[in-house]
Amino acid sequence: SQTIHQWPATLVQPVGSPLSLECTVEGTSNPNLYWYRQAAGRGLQLLFYSVGIGQISSEVPQNLSASRPQDRQFILSSKKLLLSDSGFYLCAWGVGNEQYFGPGTRLTVT
Amino acid sequence: AQSVAQPEDQVNVAEGNPLTVKCTYSVSGNPYLFWYVQYPNRGLQFLLKYITGDNLVKGSYGFEAEFNKSQTSFHLKKPSALVSDSALYFCAVRDGGNYGQNFVFGPGTRLSVLP
Repeated sequence: SQTIHQWPATLVQPVGSPLSLECTVEGTSNPNLYWYRQAAGRGLQLLFYSVGIGQISSEVPQNLSASRPQDRQFILSSKKLLLSDSGFYLCAWGVGNEQYFGPGTRLTVT
Repeated sequence: AQSVAQPEDQVNVAEGNPLTVKCTYSVSGNPYLFWYVQYPNRGLQFLLKYITGDNLVKGSYGFEAEFNKSQTSFHLKKPSALVSDSALYFCAVRDGGNYGQNFVFGPGTRLSVLP
């Protein structure tokens, strides 16, 4: 069966520091991968999606970037965090008509 | 463009009573519709989907949803609510005629089941 991992589970970082969140998927090949941000426990904002290695589409221009160095690995990065980057970050994978979510990373920028 | 509305920010229901969480959508092609549930500080869990076929879709944990094309709705229902059903519920839509189209999620509805 397929499994999606995210780490770390929680992270507290100062403003201006770099960020790297990692997401890996097991049990599937060539999935579509997604990064979402959820603010204040409500709606989801799609940040990036990828249909293959090295292929990244950005939905919202901002202080973040994404990379897909391997088929089942998706990384969310920032060179300098802003206070507004705080939130709950969710990775998801999709094949066909279904999309499944990881456990999320709670990021607090102080 | 696709869009999803969840007109109720919060739904309160007594344990044992039936519950309904509403969702309406807009999509240019065939709608593929989904419901997810999120518990505090957790990722979203898939509940059920409608792609084609029977308008009444049954999913996990006793939930079901009814696709109504004329009303462009996909309301989530459960005959008898449990306190453990209290969570945040998201409706999502995808344009089935456009494989490259991503999911669009509604803003979420917080369900509170009172003992």
